[in-house]
Amino acid sequence: TQLLEQSPQFLSIQEGENLTVYCNSSSVFSSLQWYRQEPGEGPVLLVTVVTGGEVKKLKRLTFQFGDARKDSSLHITAAQPGDTGLYLCAGAGGTASKLTFGTGTRLQVTL
Amino acid sequence: DADVTQTPRNRITKTGKRIMLECSQTKGHDRMYWYRQDPGLGLRLIYYSFDVKDINKGEISDGYSVSRQAQAKFSLSLESAIPNQTALYFCATSDSGTDYGYTFGSGTRLTIV
Repeated sequence: TQLLEQSPQFLSIQEGENLTVYCNSSSVFSSLQWYRQEPGEGPVLLVTVVTGGEVKKLKRLTFQFGDARKDSSLHITAAQPGDTGLYLCAGAGGTASKLTFGTGTRLQVTL
Repeated sequence: DADVTQTPRNRITKTGKRIMLECSQTKGHDRMYWYRQDPGLGLRLIYYSFDVKDINKGEISDGYSVSRQAQAKFSLSLESAIPNQTALYFCATSDSGTDYGYTFGSGTRLTIV
């Protein structure tokens, strides 16, 4: 079973601060996705990273896939209250080609 | 209309009852999935289907069954509900290949009393 551990589990910061969320595994993934989930809704895809060492930017969010394709990070610059939510990483690998989700990082950004 | 629609949104039912959660999609995706979400445990896969004739167990399929009635419809049943099946249930779809992201429904909050 492939496991994805996310850290920290909870993060409460003030508007304007920077933060990094981590997603780690002992398994190699063919690709890794990040989702954000808001209360009462399903997760929504933010980005997919495929190549080891790949960096993708989505406005103030920067995603990196580890060189060995076992880990990933999400960095948010100048956080805003609208960034509040549960951030989930999900890895694809194995013969069944289905996603394994991490346990999530719950982010709260206050004014 | 939402791309992935789950019904009901909320349900409270008694232990031992049979309950069906329904999912329909307008994405035209072949692949559909059922997950449950519990605090601290993340999303865990219950069943998945890569096409109408394909049904596969996920990591926590005991106590659940599914039916893929059509490409667009995938239902999840709890044959005899028990309290530890209280959770948030999500249906998701994807195109072939996992480099394509999942599209999730808004979830069903199920409470077994």
